[in-house]
Amino acid sequence: TQLLEQSPQFLSIQEGENLTVYCNSSSVFSSLQWYRQEPGEGPVLLVTVVTGGEVKKLKRLTFQFGDARKDSSLHITAAQPGDTGLYLCAGVRIQGAQKLVFGQGTRLTINP
Amino acid sequence: DAGITQSPRHKVTETGTPVTLRCHQTENHRYMYWYRQDPGHGLRLIHYSYGVKDTDKGEVSDGYSVSRSKTEDFLLTLESATSSQTSVYFCAISTSSLGPSGEQFFGPGTRLTVL
Repeated sequence: TQLLEQSPQFLSIQEGENLTVYCNSSSVFSSLQWYRQEPGEGPVLLVTVVTGGEVKKLKRLTFQFGDARKDSSLHITAAQPGDTGLYLCAGVRIQGAQKLVFGQGTRLTINP
Repeated sequence: DAGITQSPRHKVTETGTPVTLRCHQTENHRYMYWYRQDPGHGLRLIHYSYGVKDTDKGEVSDGYSVSRSKTEDFLLTLESATSSQTSVYFCAISTSSLGPSGEQFFGPGTRLTVL
């Protein structure tokens, strides 16, 4: 059972469309991180959210941490082919081992 | 760029042979990690280190051992490789004082195939 469930697992859309990726759990997290990974490379950190209800923007990417700190979302506006990649959420639970746990990832393809 | 290199980048080996993967960092960070990445599972922690000779197990540590005799090097050994250990292995470091709960920076990965 995955502690962090991401949905959808695969998403293929046209350039210019908007999309949202979700990261959900039944556990409470002290923080959540989002990474993007391109083929043949390691994940690269995009953002960390630490406060319930927090919203962070990174150009066309908007990240939100749920009020109860159990979930997060990534919204991309006007997707571009350069956004293609594997998006991973990761977090540290309030209770339990203080180690980062990862979701299974969302593979995003933006078609020109 | 957190100065992380992994070697080898690709390896094909046979079942039952020992394999050692190396992670090297140039900036003397305290925390280092080994993950494996498999389709549908994201990244899963194998072992991590919080200092020279200080290591601990992650969620999928069976069949793996690690060593850290110098700050800059963290070695992952598959004592007797099995086909289930075919995977992409990533090394990572934490740069923040939060250690395991802080942001992590990843190496380029090692693709291991066990035949």
